Amino acid sequence: DAEITQSPRHKITETGRQVTLACHQTWNHNNMFWYRQDLGHGLRLIHYSYGVHDTNKGEVSDGYSVSRSNTEDLPLTLESAASSQTSVYFCASSEPRQGNTGELFFGEGSRLTVL
Amino acid sequence: DQQVKQNSPSLSVQEGRISILNCDYTNSMFDYFLWYKKYPAEGPTFLISISSIKDKNEDGRFTVFLNKSAKHLSLHIVPSQPGDSAVYFCAASAGGYALNFGKGTSLLVTP
Repeated sequence: DAEITQSPRHKITETGRQVTLACHQTWNHNNMFWYRQDLGHGLRLIHYSYGVHDTNKGEVSDGYSVSRSNTEDLPLTLESAASSQTSVYFCASSEPRQGNTGELFFGEGSRLTVL
Repeated sequence: DQQVKQNSPSLSVQEGRISILNCDYTNSMFDYFLWYKKYPAEGPTFLISISSIKDKNEDGRFTVFLNKSAKHLSLHIVPSQPGDSAVYFCAASAGGYALNFGKGTSLLVTP
């Protein structure tokens, strides 16, 4: 079955370190997204991509970067981790239809703790 | 500023009764609305959607109503079951592909 997987599922790191969260989908979807979920804020968009070599900033993109070198993967990098980036990160993908986004399919999440 | 608002952080309903989850939005350009359900330690899963050209969409026990003039949508679950206990997120998009999410409403269905 096609799926979307995130790794690692849990990560503890120190302030200032670089961290990369992996996201891999096997649906061949063009659209991929990264969200973070925090108590009191719901899901907030970090970065998104509508295809290979396309990347766009979301509402909370400061301190994060992404790259899209193939259809299947959209890794999220924290260049210098900060305690404010402690969160649960969700990757999602979709295939647009009829001019809208279609349903997003989410991974199981990566819990990141920055000490 | 939050464009999709879920003003009730939590809701408790008895099994068999109706659950009504509400969502308000501020962006008139939103043309597609979705509800997601999330269990602890899992990713959100798609539940039901509605286009802005409709005012109602039904799928089994789940119905979404859209009132464009009030910029309001609601999710009705009838009858509610204990397995429906989860966090429900309202989401919307404005002709593009990224979704704007609300903060979520935690639903508890008690036996």
